[in-house]
Amino acid sequence: AQSVTQLDSHVSVSEGTPVLLRCNYSSSYSPSLFWYVQHPNKGLQLLLKYTSAATLVKGINGFEAEFKKSETSFHLTKPSAHMSDAAEYFCVVSGDSGYALNFGKGTSLLVTP
Amino acid sequence: GAGVSQSPRYKVAKRGQDVALRCDPISGHVSLFWYQQALGQGPEFLTYFQNEAQLDKSGLPSDRFFAERPEGSVSTLKIQRTQQEDSAVYLCASSSRNLPYEQYFGPGTRLTVT
Repeated sequence: AQSVTQLDSHVSVSEGTPVLLRCNYSSSYSPSLFWYVQHPNKGLQLLLKYTSAATLVKGINGFEAEFKKSETSFHLTKPSAHMSDAAEYFCVVSGDSGYALNFGKGTSLLVTP
Repeated sequence: GAGVSQSPRYKVAKRGQDVALRCDPISGHVSLFWYQQALGQGPEFLTYFQNEAQLDKSGLPSDRFFAERPEGSVSTLKIQRTQQEDSAVYLCASSSRNLPYEQYFGPGTRLTVT
């Protein structure tokens, strides 16, 4: 079964400093991996996706993630945090079914002035 | 264009009541999904439709949960005889046939069972 583990439930950074949200995955084959963001009272928004093309994936709002098969990781990064980045972030892996998504438990990102 | 919409956004039900949650997917999206998100958790898959056919309902937690999409567009998730453990945010997502994993989510319906 495909699954993801988000290594931090909460991350706090200062505005203007780098962001690192960690995610490890477990998969019996080369998976599709995603990061979604969820702002309070808003729907989940797709930040970026990896589907076996380039291992460094660029997403919206300056986020990027690198697929590392040897480490089974798909960490999300951003060079400089903005206050508007404060939200819940989910690492997601495609499931066995071919359509269902398996979500991690989420990482809450706090950005302080 | 318009995204996925869901209604109501908030629903409070007394234990034992039936509820119906509506989802309007993105126009032209053949695939529709329902997920359940408990407080402090990631969403969990409930069921999947391709057009009007319900191809997977393996995630529905009990036979009190029922979903339909009779004309291949709008979908309704119905919960009968609600229980407190049904309290959660119910998310609907849709995607195109060619990109089933690229799912676009609605804002969700927050159900509170008292």
